[in-house]
Amino acid sequence: QVQLQESGPGLVKPSQTLSLTCTVSGGSISSDNHYWAWIRQPAGKGLEWIGRIHVSGSTDYNVANAALQSRVTIWMDTSMSQFYLRLTSVTAADTAVYYCARDLGSGGPEDSWGQGALVTVSS
Amino acid sequence: ETVLTQSPATLSLSPGERATLSCRASQSVRSFLAWYQQRPGQAPRLLIYDASNRATGIPARFSGSGFGTDFTLTISSLEPEDFAVYYCHQRHIWPRSFGPGTKLEIK
Repeated sequence: QVQLQESGPGLVKPSQTLSLTCTVSGGSISSDNHYWAWIRQPAGKGLEWIGRIHVSGSTDYNVANAALQSRVTIWMDTSMSQFYLRLTSVTAADTAVYYCARDLGSGGPEDSWGQGALVTVSS
Repeated sequence: ETVLTQSPATLSLSPGERATLSCRASQSVRSFLAWYQQRPGQAPRLLIYDASNRATGIPARFSGSGFGTDFTLTISSLEPEDFAVYYCHQRHIWPRSFGPGTKLEIK
């Protein structure tokens, strides 16, 4: 069964860059049938879909949140079985639990999730 | 963006009772609607995908129905571990979006 694990700094200063890694195990990150997604959740609030990447290098971002989309980059390293999230120019509004997840693409929604990584933006 | 609205915001029931949770989409998402359960401090868990299909390992007391803009998650007889927050999620219209959640609490 595929497992995902987020890692990265838990504290980022305002205006700096948030960087997270998701390590995939128990399944192939190179599967053509899957995408790999990032989703976040501010404390006590709902879920916000950030974006996803396919092994082909194709990416999709949340175009409904222009302020977020302009600051986000997702990429992957298949040799490491990892994919990554970079969010630049962070503010307190970016404080959230960040989840990585496997996205089944046309076959279904996000079905396997990491445990989540809390990132706090504060000076 | 497709906006998902969930009702009620909070549902208070007792173990053994039947729970009915609703999700309405601002435009048709056909059958591409999923339901997730989130317990405190945990990641969301996929319960139902494509409106009515139970995910692997999900008990039969969970069922989903609906098409287009109106969807329902039913829990036939509540167990203590079912008290959590439930989110609906659509993958038909770009970008994907989640509802605000329904909190199912013990009465």
